[in-house]
Amino acid sequence: EDQVTQSPEALRLQEGESSSLNCSYTVSGLRGLFWYRQDPGKGPEFLFTLYSAGEEKEKERLKATLTKKESFLHITAPKPEDSATYLCAVRAFNAGNMLTFGGGTRLMVKP
Amino acid sequence: SQTIHQWPATLVQPVGSPLSLECTVEGTSNPNLYWYRQAAGRGLQLLFYSVGIGQISSEVPQNLSASRPQDRQFILSSKKLLLSDSGFYLCAWSPGVGEKLFFGSGTQLSVL
Repeated sequence: EDQVTQSPEALRLQEGESSSLNCSYTVSGLRGLFWYRQDPGKGPEFLFTLYSAGEEKEKERLKATLTKKESFLHITAPKPEDSATYLCAVRAFNAGNMLTFGGGTRLMVKP
Repeated sequence: SQTIHQWPATLVQPVGSPLSLECTVEGTSNPNLYWYRQAAGRGLQLLFYSVGIGQISSEVPQNLSASRPQDRQFILSSKKLLLSDSGFYLCAWSPGVGEKLFFGSGTQLSVL
């Protein structure tokens, strides 16, 4: 059974304090790993797709990396507007349309 | 560009009442369509997905059903709501199998 575990569940940072969010996964053949950002009461917004170990993607203050067992979302010099819940999801080759989501990390950045 | 519309944004329904949530996608054809549910503080759970008109796959046995009467329309229904049906319901679409999902704005359903 595919599993995704995100840590920490919640993270409080001061503005400018860089940190990383973790997404550990177990799948029978990774087809893709996805990162989403979700604001309260809204639908998730797509950030990145990673396909193979060693791959990295960047967007503004965010950088996502992938190994064979986990993915990290690095946040450099965060701003209050980066506060949101960040979701990780995986799709396995034998899962068809099924995405397995982690429980998310709630990030709070204080000015 | 493609857009996804989901309504209503919030809904309060009594136990035993029917449910109909609607989702439409614009700017694309033959999308894969999905219904997810998100319980408070928990991950997203796939309820149904559809690869074409009239084609519905259910991932979790439950009190809900889905229909796709038109190419870009996806409907989530229930004949009699249960308290456990409360949650945040999200519609999503993707261009094809294995591709990234684009989510709607969600419906917060409270069953009282």
